[in-house]
Amino acid sequence: AQSVTQLDSHVSVSEGTPVLLRCNYSSSYSPSLFWYVQHPNKGLQLLLKYTSAATLVKGINGFEAEFKKSETSFHLTKPSAHMSDAAEYFCVVSEGGGFKTIFGAGTRLFVKA
Amino acid sequence: EPEVTQTPSHQVTQMGQEVILRCVPISNHLYFYWYRQILGQKVEFLVSFYNNEISEKSEIFDDQFSVERPDGSNFTLKIRSTKLEDSAMYFCASSEGGAFGETQYFGPGTRLLVL
Repeated sequence: AQSVTQLDSHVSVSEGTPVLLRCNYSSSYSPSLFWYVQHPNKGLQLLLKYTSAATLVKGINGFEAEFKKSETSFHLTKPSAHMSDAAEYFCVVSEGGGFKTIFGAGTRLFVKA
Repeated sequence: EPEVTQTPSHQVTQMGQEVILRCVPISNHLYFYWYRQILGQKVEFLVSFYNNEISEKSEIFDDQFSVERPDGSNFTLKIRSTKLEDSAMYFCASSEGGAFGETQYFGPGTRLLVL
C-alpha cells in the first residue's frame, strides 16, 4: 500500500535562506510523485512532478526536488526563500488517479523578513 | 493557461439540506475527481469519474453523495442531506488520462460549512 509522510508540519525560514521540505513515501511500484502548493484561500497548484525520468526535477518559482529511491525520499528545496513562498505544501504519491493518489499531511512554510 | 474552476467558493447550509458543488474541468480532460479536506486534516479522495460513470470511490462516498456530468462541461458533487461532519473544503480535479504519471489539476475549492 502507498503512503506518504511529510516529516515536518511547520518549517520557518528567513527570507533569502534555503528551504527544505521533507517527504518520504512508500509504494509497491515506482510511483509518480508530486509537490503541490496551497496559498491561503487558493486551490492546489502543481509545483513539480517526478515520473521516472530525471531524478532531479525542476519546478516553478525556483523549486526543485530530488527523487532518491534508496532513501524513498522526494524532498523539496529552494535555494533562497521569498516572502511569497509562505504557504502550505503537499507531497503526493500516485500510482494512477483517484484512489491511488495519496496526500501527505502538509507542511506549512513560514518565511520571516 | 486552462484551469479548473469551482463554484461557489463558499457555501453555508443547514444540517439536513441538500447542496450541489459545481466544477468546470479543463476542457480536453476525461477524468474527473472530488477530494475533500476537513480543517486540519489531510486531503482525502472521494470519487473518480470517467466515461459518465464512477470509476472508483472511497468509503467516505456513501449514499448521501452523488456525482454527475449533466451537460458535458460541468461536473457536480451533490450531498443529499448534509451533516455537520461534511463541513470541509471540497476540491475538484481533472486529468487528461487516468494512468500512471498523469497530472491532476485542481480547482480552488469550495469551502462548505454545515450548521
